[in-house]
Amino acid sequence: NAGVTQTPKFRVLKTGQSMTLLCAQDMNHEYMYWYRQDPGMGLRLIHYSVGEGTTAKGEVPDGYNVSRLKKQNFLLGLESAAPSQTSVYFCASSDGSTGNTIYFGEGSWLTVV
Amino acid sequence: AQSVTQPDIHITVSEGASLELRCNYSYGATPYLFWYVQSPGQGLQLLLKYFSGDTLVQGIKGFEAEFKRSQSSFNLRKPSVHWSDAAEYFCAVGPTTSGTYKYIFGTGTRLKVLA
Repeated sequence: NAGVTQTPKFRVLKTGQSMTLLCAQDMNHEYMYWYRQDPGMGLRLIHYSVGEGTTAKGEVPDGYNVSRLKKQNFLLGLESAAPSQTSVYFCASSDGSTGNTIYFGEGSWLTVV
Repeated sequence: AQSVTQPDIHITVSEGASLELRCNYSYGATPYLFWYVQSPGQGLQLLLKYFSGDTLVQGIKGFEAEFKRSQSSFNLRKPSVHWSDAAEYFCAVGPTTSGTYKYIFGTGTRLKVLA
């Protein structure tokens, strides 16, 4: 039972490089999310999607782009990485119904040097 | 404004002692409430959730939480802590209207367990 799977788990980038984090869920969920987690700041929503082909900005969208071309996948892109984007990134999904549970991937540790 | 507050950033307890982690929320309607646990290097795992009905909710790993509407609280408890419970714990409020997306998370409480 895979649930939410993120790749890669670890990555080191140089400032200015680009990369894409891939999230896949096998629960047929409509909603998908990307969060970042930083010490003392909890989880902050970067972008989210309420269905295939749709995306929307969360609390901290600057410097990130996303795409949801397929229902099961949600990609997070960094076009020009900055040290401030060093963080742990979590993908999550939910079915969008009232009171539904949000399920998380295991995280992707990104360091920008 | 909607918010979730976990007043304790760090808590240390001895193995075998009881545990209570505090969570207070601010929400317009009766919320859907969750507790998640995050072990080092891992993602967030659901411990338990409250939708309605019985205000005392049982979860996995021997945890329980009590919803108190009058105090806007949803505190997490465990009668006897094990060393493996050392982790970070997050309280969250979930969307109460179908089709809305927003979950609000507290900033977490890091639990240390002394042998």
